[in-house]
Amino acid sequence: GAGVSQSPSNKVTEKGKDVELRCDPISGHTALYWYRQSLGQGLEFLIYFQGNSAPDKSGLPSDRFSAERTGGSVSTLTIQRTQQEDSAVYLCASSASGGAGETQYFGPGTRLLVL
Amino acid sequence: QKEVEQDPGPLSVPEGAIVSLNCTYSNSAFQYFMWYRQYSRKGPELLMYTYSSGNKEDGRFTAQVDKSSKYISLFIRDSQPSDSATYLCAMDKSNYQLIWGAGTKLIIKP
Repeated sequence: GAGVSQSPSNKVTEKGKDVELRCDPISGHTALYWYRQSLGQGLEFLIYFQGNSAPDKSGLPSDRFSAERTGGSVSTLTIQRTQQEDSAVYLCASSASGGAGETQYFGPGTRLLVL
Repeated sequence: QKEVEQDPGPLSVPEGAIVSLNCTYSNSAFQYFMWYRQYSRKGPELLMYTYSSGNKEDGRFTAQVDKSSKYISLFIRDSQPSDSATYLCAMDKSNYQLIWGAGTKLIIKP
């Protein structure tokens, strides 16, 4: 079946603008993750959604970052008043149920450049 | 100190060589150990998965976990140019949250 999809693939924006990044997980997967990957760095956890439970927002770096997941499927990550340090690749992943050691399936990422 | 340490490389080896990639970690609570492979401009994909200590082999790939030394390894035999990618180790504290290494960029020269 279809994998995880993300849009847009690339986004160039000016400092101070808001951006929205979209993630479409694998159908039937209840767990969804957002990560940030800066050049030469590992994956930085941002937020986790599991079914109808309250999301784990512990990785969001500031209150400019927010995310929602509608209908247990599509998720949107919003960055308000973007800063140059927000430039990175934003990766979305989904897994079947969020259990320990479960395989996470990643989308291709959105490359964000803040000028 | 980071919970997971991984040399970012790049590591450049000739085709056919045996490759050894490694991560060290500090938290003895880690139980699940994974290696993900990431090609340029793609998302990571799971390559190998090991629970607790021991070895696991899959074709040309072997994953080793030494919990006493807090050290994990990925070996690639008969390396191919198509193995050129970034290899990320990841570890799980028995919940959904993975802790990631920085990734090692591997280049296999034809």
